[in-house]
Amino acid sequence: GAVVSQHPSWVICKSGTSVKIECRSLDFQATTMFWYRQFPKQSLMLMATSNEGSKATYEQGVEKDKFLINHASLTLSTLTVTSAHPEDSSFYICSVEGLAGSYNEQFFGPGTRLTVL
Amino acid sequence: TQLLEQSPQFLSIQEGENLTVYCNSSSVFSSLQWYRQEPGEGPVLLVTVVTGGEVKKLKRLTFQFGDARKDSSLHITAAQPGDTGLYLCAGEGSSNTGKLIFGQGTTLQVKP
Repeated sequence: GAVVSQHPSWVICKSGTSVKIECRSLDFQATTMFWYRQFPKQSLMLMATSNEGSKATYEQGVEKDKFLINHASLTLSTLTVTSAHPEDSSFYICSVEGLAGSYNEQFFGPGTRLTVL
Repeated sequence: TQLLEQSPQFLSIQEGENLTVYCNSSSVFSSLQWYRQEPGEGPVLLVTVVTGGEVKKLKRLTFQFGDARKDSSLHITAAQPGDTGLYLCAGEGSSNTGKLIFGQGTTLQVKP
């Protein structure tokens, strides 16, 4: 499977500031990456699909102007949380889509814990 | 809208016991994946099932895909404290966008 890294692994910021989270595919060229957020003891919630060289596709209810996604290369996608507020505090996880024969698999990064004070 | 209902959501058992986690839907999935996630880490892929009726084994873990590809189960034999974690099932939807539809997750605690 693909090896995925995220940076930073955790970040604490003040309300109103912007935070950038990087997702890198270390051994695989990823045309498509996904961004999720997860609250404690809950499942993953898909935020958006990041497509290399084109605009991201956002899920219903996710503000695209608040969560900016850039997928400028086949190995890097970034998620910027703009004007962060305490309610944006969460665990953000990215994944890389890989094709395994006739079906797709996703390989996840280690996640980024965002705390907004 | 395709949904995956995962049960139970919480499970606390003693070391050595067996358990089964279920993942059910009214929709057909082309494939279904099981992940295990530890606190503060990303999910790790355990297995992907593709064929209806398929059974896969991973040491003490047995995964089954329903004949109609609408449901799946994960059975753990002789659970150990190291099995503690959040177990997630996820199905590849029919939209062919590569998106995964996740179940609610099962938090498993195995007490020594």
